[in-house]
Amino acid sequence: QKEVEQNSGPLSVPEGAIASLNCTYSDRGSQSFFWYRQYSGKSPELIMSIYSNGDKEDGRFTAQLNKASQYVSLLIRDSQPSDSATYLCAVNAGNMLTFGGGTRLMVKP
Amino acid sequence: DGGITQSPKYLFRKEGQNVTLSCEQNLNHDAMYWYRQDPGQGLRLIYYSQIVNDFQKGDIAEGYSVSREKKESFPLTVTSAQKNPTAFYLCASSRGQSSGANVLTFGAGSRLTVL
Repeated sequence: QKEVEQNSGPLSVPEGAIASLNCTYSDRGSQSFFWYRQYSGKSPELIMSIYSNGDKEDGRFTAQLNKASQYVSLLIRDSQPSDSATYLCAVNAGNMLTFGGGTRLMVKP
Repeated sequence: DGGITQSPKYLFRKEGQNVTLSCEQNLNHDAMYWYRQDPGQGLRLIYYSQIVNDFQKGDIAEGYSVSREKKESFPLTVTSAQKNPTAFYLCASSRGQSSGANVLTFGAGSRLTVL
């Protein structure tokens, strides 16, 4: 069974710090990787997608992919209290997405 | 604005009753999905459909049924056979099967509670 693993947290960082969220996956055939943010009681929203090895930056967010080591990470620079949420990693191999259990991030003022 | 509409937002069910959750999209997406989320957990796939009149079971299909008679609509029925149906249900859609086309757009969710 394809697996996507995340530390459930909570990961607590002070406001202005860098938050680092990690995700590992089991299927070497995985081709597309996504980070979704989910606020409590709300539906997930896409914040980053990455398809090739290396870094992809979008504003305060940077996604990093290492297919050889089968991990994908999300860095959030200058963390804000509004970034406090659960971050879901999703991995695609073929047609279906498999989600990790999510990491809860808490940014303290 | 294009999007996905789920209804109802909150639903209470007595044990032994079937309930149907509605999901409608106007994004012209080919693929639609139903996920279940339990507190503190990730998303688990119930059913998905990549084309009208066709659908496949996901990882936790037992106790659920779906139909896809129209491209825009993908209702989910939670049957009495589902032993622990209290959860947050999310409907999603995507453009289809091509590489990079599986970015999901989610509806706002339906929260089902069994009394």
